Amino acid sequence: DVKVTQSSRYLVKRTGEKVFLECVQDMDHENMFWYRQDPGLGLRLIYFSYDVKMKEKGDIPEGYSVSREKKERFSLILESASTNQTSMYLCASSHRGPGNQPQHFGDGTRLSIL
Amino acid sequence: DQQVKQNSPSLSVQEGRISILNCDYTNSMFDYFLWYKKYPAEGPTFLISISSIKDKNEDGRFTVFLNKSAKHLSLHIVPSQPGDSAVYFCAAFLNQAGTALIFGKGTTLSVSS
Repeated sequence: DVKVTQSSRYLVKRTGEKVFLECVQDMDHENMFWYRQDPGLGLRLIYFSYDVKMKEKGDIPEGYSVSREKKERFSLILESASTNQTSMYLCASSHRGPGNQPQHFGDGTRLSIL
Repeated sequence: DQQVKQNSPSLSVQEGRISILNCDYTNSMFDYFLWYKKYPAEGPTFLISISSIKDKNEDGRFTVFLNKSAKHLSLHIVPSQPGDSAVYFCAAFLNQAGTALIFGKGTTLSVSS
């Protein structure tokens, strides 16, 4: 079974801090994604990567950056955390290629910025 | 502008009856559509998908119908069970390099016993 592991289930940080959220997948997937989920807004794509050292902006990249130095690991960075970044963060991965390649999600990190 | 819309935030159904979750989209070029289910404090899990060249796909109690002319798809759950209570997300995919799934805002399904 595909396993996508997010380093923390719950995280509390202060405004202005630099925050790192880590995600690791064990299925040799080329694609990795970061979303945030907020009530009434669904899943919004922050960034994704379809190869090592490659990244693409999603719908809401402002205030975030990402790093993909190794194929299995995709990090989301909040450069200077703000209270409006309090949210549930979800990492996902999938194979690249033609056809339907479902994304597999981790269990999420609930981040609170105080 | 939302490309994938789930206009019903919530749906309540009795156990044993049919649940129908709806989804509309705007981009006629989407190649695949997927449904995900999400329980609280867990990540979404893939349920079922359909290619744009088909109009129906069935997997056990779950059936997805696609109406391309109306740009509409629906997920039918028959019979509904209390364990189906979750948030359901519709998603669409454009089969091009460098693209990602586009999700709707979700519909919360409550199945009462």
